[in-house]
Amino acid sequence: QSALTQPASVSGSPGQSITISCTGTSSDVGGYNYVSWYQQNPGKAPKLMICGVSYRPSGVSNRFSGSKSGNTASLTISGLQAEDEADYYCSSYTSINTYVFGSGTKVTVL
Amino acid sequence: QVQLQESGPGLVKPSGTLSLTCAVSGGSISGTNWWSWVRQPPGKGPEWIGEIHRSGSTNYNPSLKSRVTISIDKSKNQFSLNLSSVTAADTAVYYCASGITRGWTFDYWGQGTLVIVSS
Repeated sequence: QSALTQPASVSGSPGQSITISCTGTSSDVGGYNYVSWYQQNPGKAPKLMICGVSYRPSGVSNRFSGSKSGNTASLTISGLQAEDEADYYCSSYTSINTYVFGSGTKVTVL
Repeated sequence: QVQLQESGPGLVKPSGTLSLTCAVSGGSISGTNWWSWVRQPPGKGPEWIGEIHRSGSTNYNPSLKSRVTISIDKSKNQFSLNLSSVTAADTAVYYCASGITRGWTFDYWGQGTLVIVSS
């Protein structure tokens, strides 16, 4: 199974909105509403930010939102803040009862 | 509050077997359906290794399936990973993780443990 495709980097100024894409296939992202997004800071474990395409777990800022269209899922961060600077990974359940992660996107706050 | 904690050797020789255990505290391992292992090579993205159901059934990443065994010990409230015939490419931070409050995701993670494969 190939990693889901994400842009290597995305940047924005404080207060702006940015969107990170995550492209897969009909066997993963396009076939199931089981896309998750994780934020990872250096030396730390990934932190769940979005699951089920657009569900935001308790404690996660409402500045984070998720969506999906066809084989591509997206994570939008609105009102970008310095603390949002991190690596972000998507993941999806797949048709062969496995999970696949994305290649990762480094978010930089200018 | 459920907590996951990985433990095991930090150094494994090439061609040897990597063995890690994930201890679950603050809750019963039987209270959650699936328990997973995820690894992350230095500077790279996470890779899902496999999962075990509380009943003992398993699913593995096809690219690792021939070398991976995941087991569960309900009496000790822990689950384990064995990865055989390791090479330098298996050097990574290994995490245990689970979707405790929601399925098909990973909302709880251990802190991770670095395993280096080297002679």
